[in-house]
Amino acid sequence: KAGVTQTPRYLIKTRGQQVTLSCSPISGHRSVSWYQQTPGQGLQFLFEYFSETQRNKGNFPGRFSGRQFSNSRSEMNVSTLELGDSALYLCASSYPGTMTEAFFGQGTRLTVV
Amino acid sequence: QQQVKQSPQSLIVQKGGISIINCAYENTAFDYFPWYQQFPGKGPALLIAIRPDVSEKKEGRFTISFNKSAKQFSLHIMDSQPGDSATYFCAATPGSARQLTFGSGTQLTVLP
Repeated sequence: KAGVTQTPRYLIKTRGQQVTLSCSPISGHRSVSWYQQTPGQGLQFLFEYFSETQRNKGNFPGRFSGRQFSNSRSEMNVSTLELGDSALYLCASSYPGTMTEAFFGQGTRLTVV
Repeated sequence: QQQVKQSPQSLIVQKGGISIINCAYENTAFDYFPWYQQFPGKGPALLIAIRPDVSEKKEGRFTISFNKSAKQFSLHIMDSQPGDSATYFCAATPGSARQLTFGSGTQLTVLP
């Protein structure tokens, strides 16, 4: 079974630009969550999508948004990039329900210059 | 209320020794406590997880000990190996694995 696939793996953007990251979950997994990982703040929850609906949202500004498609693939978008948005963005998929494992992709390394 | 506190920040043990990482939480709504292992350049990988209705769970060399009254849980790695050298994160979530609150991470180095 293929794992969680995130594209692209690396990205360099300029301040003020916007960026879109993609996540393909494990086949059969309908829940996709996004996390931001930085050395200073650690791993922080961004948002979670299930059945094309945002179910939970972390404490991030509105510049961070996402969506989920009918095939469960998800994208996250960051608009008006700031230097502080440089981070590893991780996607995790799980089969909805209690006590279910979350499987992470390898992440997209975003650098804002 | 949402924070999970993890210690130590870094840990060095000899091969064959026991590695112990501790976490504490405040939110009593948390009811699923996984541990993740992360190697450089990789995403976190689930090691082992526990629910508060048990005090201990063991899988191979990895054991979670859980103290519900103290709101603390810990990861024990027995017979630590150099290949265990990685960053370990504890996490907690209410109800499912879909909104994890992570600890700050412990960088484990196992010396050969």
